[in-house]
Amino acid sequence: ELKVEQNPLFLSMQEGKNYTIYCNYSTTSDRLYWYRQDPGKSLESLFVLLSNGAVKQEGRLMASLDTKARLSTLHITAAVHDLSATYFCAVPLYNNNDMRFGAGTRLTVKP
Amino acid sequence: DTAVSQTPKYLVTQMGNDKSIKCEQNLGHDTMYWYKQDSKKFLKIMFSYNNKELIINETVPNRFSPKSPDKAHLNLHINSLELGDSAVYFCASSQTDTYQPQHFGDGTRLSIL
Repeated sequence: ELKVEQNPLFLSMQEGKNYTIYCNYSTTSDRLYWYRQDPGKSLESLFVLLSNGAVKQEGRLMASLDTKARLSTLHITAAVHDLSATYFCAVPLYNNNDMRFGAGTRLTVKP
Repeated sequence: DTAVSQTPKYLVTQMGNDKSIKCEQNLGHDTMYWYKQDSKKFLKIMFSYNNKELIINETVPNRFSPKSPDKAHLNLHINSLELGDSAVYFCASSQTDTYQPQHFGDGTRLSIL
């Protein structure tokens, strides 16, 4: 059974600091997705990582994928309050039909 | 132009009642899903329909029955609601054989009194 583990589950950081969120998964997959969820809102797609070594950047967020290590990272650079949200990684089991989500990392950025 | 729309947004009802949640997508996708998000934010897939055919049916009580009249709609009917059904239910859609992410609706917050 595919397991997707994120850590940390809770992250409180100060503005201006850097930090990394980790996503490990248990079976072979060459794709991984990152989503953001604001409180009371829907999930919004952030990154689609499609191959080993893929790196995507958007503003202060950078995501990477190492399919051999079955690991993805979401790096936050110089955090700002607007980044406060819950971040989910998701791995497809067979194809896009069956997506398994990590438990989410609840990020709070404090001034 | 809402891509994936769910109704209602909030649903407050009593134990034992039957309720339905509707979902529609205008993205032309061929697959739709229902997810349940519990109070700890854990997101679990319940059902997946591809071109009106059930593809995934996770371990979900029989009280939950999805219905897909066409590939743009996937409704969720719940019988005999229980306290443990309180959660946020998300509908999503995607196009198979592409690597595009799933698109989510705004969610339906179900509260059982």
